[in-house]
Amino acid sequence: GAGVSQSPSNKVTEKGKDVELRCDPISGHTALYWYRQSLGQGLEFLIYFQGNSAPDKSGLPSDRFSAERTGGSVSTLTIQRTQQEDSAVYLCASSFRGRAYEQYFGPGTRLTVT
Amino acid sequence: AQTVTQSQPEMSVQEAETVTLSCTYDTSENNYYLFWYKQPPSRQMILVIRQEAYKQQNATENRFSVNFQKAAKSFSLKISDSQLGDTAMYFCAFMKHGGSNDMRFGAGTRLTVKP
Repeated sequence: GAGVSQSPSNKVTEKGKDVELRCDPISGHTALYWYRQSLGQGLEFLIYFQGNSAPDKSGLPSDRFSAERTGGSVSTLTIQRTQQEDSAVYLCASSFRGRAYEQYFGPGTRLTVT
Repeated sequence: AQTVTQSQPEMSVQEAETVTLSCTYDTSENNYYLFWYKQPPSRQMILVIRQEAYKQQNATENRFSVNFQKAAKSFSLKISDSQLGDTAMYFCAFMKHGGSNDMRFGAGTRLTVKP
């Protein structure tokens, strides 16, 4: 079946602009995770959604970052007033409820802020 | 807080040889998961192998095996019969059992398999 998909694959934006990154999880997966991978680094947890529960936003680095998940499926990560330090690959993953140890990752969106 | 350390930024190995990637972690938890992920140039993270801390037996997946030393908080990955397709970034990761769902990653090891 289809895996996790993310769009766009690459995004170049000017400093100060807002960007939206999209994630389509695997059908049936109720849990969705966003991670950030800065150049040469491992992944950094950003936010976690589980069904209709309030998201775990503990990893969001600033109030410029927000995410929503509509209808328990597609998720959008929004970065407002982008800064150069926001340049990174943003990865999304999904899993079945209670199986966070079995996350399936998308190909990521490479964001470049100029 | 849990931390994961990969002390080898880059490694190389000849095709068909064996290579071991190192990972250490710091936690006060007793029950947790450890992972090795592979990230090829396509960027997609692929799970290589998973170990549950309460299991003493080392996990094995075909050519990939781990040496899990719980007391030493060490979790190394051994790749046998290395293939060109194994060339990638490899990340070690930690997750507490239950509770928080965030996974903590090391900085990665870039592995190059040479023909």
